[in-house]
Amino acid sequence: SQTIHQWPATLVQPVGSPLSLECTVEGTSNPNLYWYRQAAGRGLQLLFYSVGIGQISSEVPQNLSASRPQDRQFILSSKKLLLSDSGFYLCAWSALWTTEAFFGQGTRLTVV
Amino acid sequence: AQSVAQPEDQVNVAEGNPLTVKCTYSVSGNPYLFWYVQYPNRGLQFLLKYITGDNLVKGSYGFEAEFNKSQTSFHLKKPSALVSDSALYFCAVRAMNTGFQKLVFGTGTRLLVSP
Repeated sequence: SQTIHQWPATLVQPVGSPLSLECTVEGTSNPNLYWYRQAAGRGLQLLFYSVGIGQISSEVPQNLSASRPQDRQFILSSKKLLLSDSGFYLCAWSALWTTEAFFGQGTRLTVV
Repeated sequence: AQSVAQPEDQVNVAEGNPLTVKCTYSVSGNPYLFWYVQYPNRGLQFLLKYITGDNLVKGSYGFEAEFNKSQTSFHLKKPSALVSDSALYFCAVRAMNTGFQKLVFGTGTRLLVSP
């Protein structure tokens, strides 16, 4: 069966520090991968998606970047965090043979 | 571009009563439609989906949803609510077109089931 791992679960970082959140998927090949951000416990904003290694599409201009160095690894990064980067970050995957997406448990990022 | 509207920020229902969480969508062509549930500080859990076929779709935990093409709606329902159903519910849509299609979410509806 397929599983998705996302870590860390919580993170407190000072303004101006770098960020690296990692997401990995097991049990499938060539998944579509997504990073979403959820602010104030409500709506989900799609930040990045990837349909293959090295292929990253950005949905909104922002202080963050994403990379996909391996088929089942998706990384969300920032060189210098801003207060506005605080939020709940969710990684998800989907495959061609499924229509729905499956989510990791999320990372609560607080920038102080 | 596809979009989803969840017109209610919160739905309140007493335990044992039926519940409905509303969702309308906009998409070019035929839609794939989904419902997810989120408990506090957790990821989203998939509940059910409509792809094609019967308009009434049954999912996890006794939930079901009714697809109405003429009204472009996909309301989530449950005949008898439980206190443990209290959570945040998201409707989502993806266009049924060739190639990669993004999954777009509504803003969520908080369901509060009182004992």
